[in-house]
Amino acid sequence: EPEVTQTPSHQVTQMGQEVILRCVPISNHLYFYWYRQILGQKVEFLVSFYNNEISEKSEIFDDQFSVERPDGSNFTLKIRSTKLEDSAMYFCASSEKGMYQPQHFGDGTRLSIL
Amino acid sequence: DAKTTQPNSMESNEEEPVHLPCNHSTISGTDYIHWYRQLPSQGPEYVIHGLTSNVNNRMASLAIAEDRKSSTLILHRATLRDAAVYYCIPVYSGGGADGLTFGKGTHLIIQP
Repeated sequence: EPEVTQTPSHQVTQMGQEVILRCVPISNHLYFYWYRQILGQKVEFLVSFYNNEISEKSEIFDDQFSVERPDGSNFTLKIRSTKLEDSAMYFCASSEKGMYQPQHFGDGTRLSIL
Repeated sequence: DAKTTQPNSMESNEEEPVHLPCNHSTISGTDYIHWYRQLPSQGPEYVIHGLTSNVNNRMASLAIAEDRKSSTLILHRATLRDAAVYYCIPVYSGGGADGLTFGKGTHLIIQP
C-alpha cells in the first residue's frame, strides 16, 4: 500500500539554525499538510498546500515557517531560526482530493532543538 | 468547529469487541465524522468516516446516531495492535484543504 515517507526520522539542531523537514507524499495525491505534536500534547495543524500554494494555515504557522514543493515528489517544511519550543514531532500528510477525504500521515520527524 | 467529547481512556480484552463513543452535539449537517488513531511512536492513521449511515470497512465499523449528535467506533475483535489513541473528528464536507482538529482522544488499552 502506498505511504507517506518523511526524512529524517530524527533531526537535532542548534537553536537559531534553519532546518528543513522533507516529505514524499503519496504519488497521486494533490493536497498536502503539515502538523506538529509537542511531547504529550495534541496533534496540531500547521498548514495545507494545494496547487502550488498555501491553502490554509493556523496561527502557529508564522513567518518563521515556510513550505515548498520543489519538484513533483517532495514537500518540505522549513523552519528559520529555530527556537527551543519548536521541539516536537512533525507529521506530513497527503490527501487525494482534499475536502472530507481521508488524510494519510507519515510517521513523522522528531525535531530536537538544543 | 464542532466540539467533541470522548472518554480519556478505555480498557478491553484481546479478541473482544470494543465500542468507542464520541459525542459531537454541535456538529453541522455538512460535517462528516472521521475517526483516526495514533499507535505509539507513529503518525495518525485514518480509520473510517461517515455522514449519516453506518459504515463498515476492513478496520472497523462506524455507527452514527440518527440525530448525528454522537457516534460509536466499533472494533469487532480487538488485538494488541489496536492499542492506540482514537480520535473522533468532524470534517466539513465543503472544505478544500482544511486541516484536521485533533482533540485528546481516547487512549484504548488492550489486555492480553
